[in-house]
Amino acid sequence: DGGITQSPKYLFRKEGQNVTLSCEQNLNHDAMYWYRQDPGQGLRLIYYSQIVNDFQKGDIAEGYSVSREKKESFPLTVTSAQKNPTAFYLCASSIVLAVSYNEQFFGPGTRLTVL
Amino acid sequence: AQKITQTQPGMFVQEKEAVTLDCTYDTSDPSYGLFWYKQPSSGEMIFLIYQGSYDQQNATEGRYSLNFQKARKSANLVISASQLGDSAMYFCAMRGPSNFGNEKLTFGTGTRLTIIP
Repeated sequence: DGGITQSPKYLFRKEGQNVTLSCEQNLNHDAMYWYRQDPGQGLRLIYYSQIVNDFQKGDIAEGYSVSREKKESFPLTVTSAQKNPTAFYLCASSIVLAVSYNEQFFGPGTRLTVL
Repeated sequence: AQKITQTQPGMFVQEKEAVTLDCTYDTSDPSYGLFWYKQPSSGEMIFLIYQGSYDQQNATEGRYSLNFQKARKSANLVISASQLGDSAMYFCAMRGPSNFGNEKLTFGTGTRLTIIP
């Protein structure tokens, strides 16, 4: 089955530690995205990548870093510089065609809690 | 800048009734797309329906339809014959012009829909 996997489902981190969230897709999509969701709020874009070895900052990139070395993988690192990292993190992917509406497909999410 | 507004934090609807979830948007681009996603308690986002700014007809997908009023900048989701499984958060989202490098979505704050048996 094609889809997006995120691991782990739950993650606990001590203050001052970096942590990496995994996102893998086997949909052969070019574009991948990371969103953050806080309670009672919508999704906010952290980073996105349209092609391998290239990525752009979203609206709330400070304190986060990403890499895109393979088409299938787009890991997100939450660094100690992120002041309030406790949130629900969602990864998504989409094809990139100018003539298509390019629906984004989402993974199941990772819930990060800073202790 | 693009903005999505969902003014209904929560709604309660009797099973089998129709429900309308409101969404208004703001953009200066003539070309844009509007999406609705459903988020059950499990957390994953499920795509429901899409409306392009140049589409002549309102989008429909099974029990979901989109009441698109371009002049009023509204894109309300209508769910007909609601079911208990429709209980979830619903998000309206917008994407800018469909060109390479501009696939970002802007989300509203969502509406929590609860279906009452």
